[in-house]
Amino acid sequence: EVQLVESGGGLVQPGASLKLSCVASGFTFSDYWMSWVRQTPGKTMEWIGDIKYDGSYTNYAPSLKNRFTISRDNAKSTLYLQMSNVRSEDTATYYCTRAPRLDYWGQGVMVTVSS
Amino acid sequence: DVVMTQTPVSLSVSLGGQVSISCRSSQSLVHNNGNTYLSWYLQKPGQSPQLLIYKVSNRFSGISDRFSGSGSGTDFTLKISRVEPDDLGVYYCGQGTQYPWTFGGGTKLELK
Repeated sequence: EVQLVESGGGLVQPGASLKLSCVASGFTFSDYWMSWVRQTPGKTMEWIGDIKYDGSYTNYAPSLKNRFTISRDNAKSTLYLQMSNVRSEDTATYYCTRAPRLDYWGQGVMVTVSS
Repeated sequence: DVVMTQTPVSLSVSLGGQVSISCRSSQSLVHNNGNTYLSWYLQKPGQSPQLLIYKVSNRFSGISDRFSGSGSGTDFTLKISRVEPDDLGVYYCGQGTQYPWTFGGGTKLELK
């Protein structure tokens, strides 16, 4: 059974950094591109970016490219999202999902940016 | 960015009925390789989104044939027949043809 489990969310102050993790199981992680998608409190879905199966290439939403970094550790079957200089508008539930079809999603992790 | 517009925003249906949801893209979703990467997702209350349909009309593993997708270019439709209680939630279309990938605003399916 494919499982994606995110962690690392919580309350963070504006301007701070945060790193989310997503542990994958039930499939060969190193065979798949992976993506991060976030959902705002108003339920808007926003694609953040993706990373190639070997970690050699990434794509980002232009509005997030300078602050968010996606990486992976295939030995640990883990996907990461490094968020820096966070803003109130980054408040959302963050999902990791298997690309390119976005066919499996984690349960999501909430990030709240507030002072 | 490709803008995805879903209509209607909400929909009321009786159990056993049929509904259609429209999704329009601001640009053609036909990829250079000839494929059209338009998907449909359902987010049930309190749950993560789940994939229903990919590449316009292909049902994902385990998805009932009551769900069907159609369309081409910039106009796409999701049809749900014989609606069941478990079908209720918010439906999203999404495109994976052009970066950045984008989603529609969602259509909430409720019981009449």
